Amino acid sequence: GEDVEQSLFLSVREGDSSVINCTYTDSSSTYLYWYKQEPGAGLQLLTYIFSNMDMKQDQRLTVLLNKKDKHLSLRIADTQTGDSAIYFCAENGGYQKVTFGTGTKLQVIP
Amino acid sequence: ETGVTQSPTHLIKTRGQQVTLRCSSQSGHNTVSWYQQALGQGPQFIFQYYREEENGRGNFPPRFSGLQFPNYSSELNVNALELDDSALYLCASSYRGANEKLFFGSGTQLSVL
Repeated sequence: GEDVEQSLFLSVREGDSSVINCTYTDSSSTYLYWYKQEPGAGLQLLTYIFSNMDMKQDQRLTVLLNKKDKHLSLRIADTQTGDSAIYFCAENGGYQKVTFGTGTKLQVIP
Repeated sequence: ETGVTQSPTHLIKTRGQQVTLRCSSQSGHNTVSWYQQALGQGPQFIFQYYREEENGRGNFPPRFSGLQFPNYSSELNVNALELDDSALYLCASSYRGANEKLFFGSGTQLSVL
């Protein structure tokens, strides 16, 4: 079955880079996503990567995909206090569902 | 703003009762998925509706049911509520065939006492 794992917590200083890691198990995943959730809110799609890509950059966000190791990472450059939130990695192995990880809480220290 | 709206935002029920949660999809989207997010956890897939039919279901019992209407809005119904049903219920709309990017509403916080 599908399983997505993430570390629970990351603390960085404002201005530094943040790297959030994720491992997944479904090798048939066609798309992988990063979502952000702020307190009391739903999930906001940050970025996604197609499984035949190794890297995708979108402004301050860089996604790296190692398909062989089933490892996905999200790098946030110049991390700001507004980036403090919970970040979810997710995979889509088919039409029916997107499977989410348990989330990584990012704390940005001013 | 995703254009996905959910109602109500908060709800308190007692064990054994029934609840209906509602969701309006983003304009142009034809698929609705429902997720349950327990405190401190990631969202868990309940089911998905496409063309008014259930199209995939997660590991949830039959007392979780749903509907999708011709305007693509949707309902989630939960019968015989249990304490463990207390969670944030998230609706997500998407357009089938467009890499299944999910756009989430803000959720309904359900508390079962």
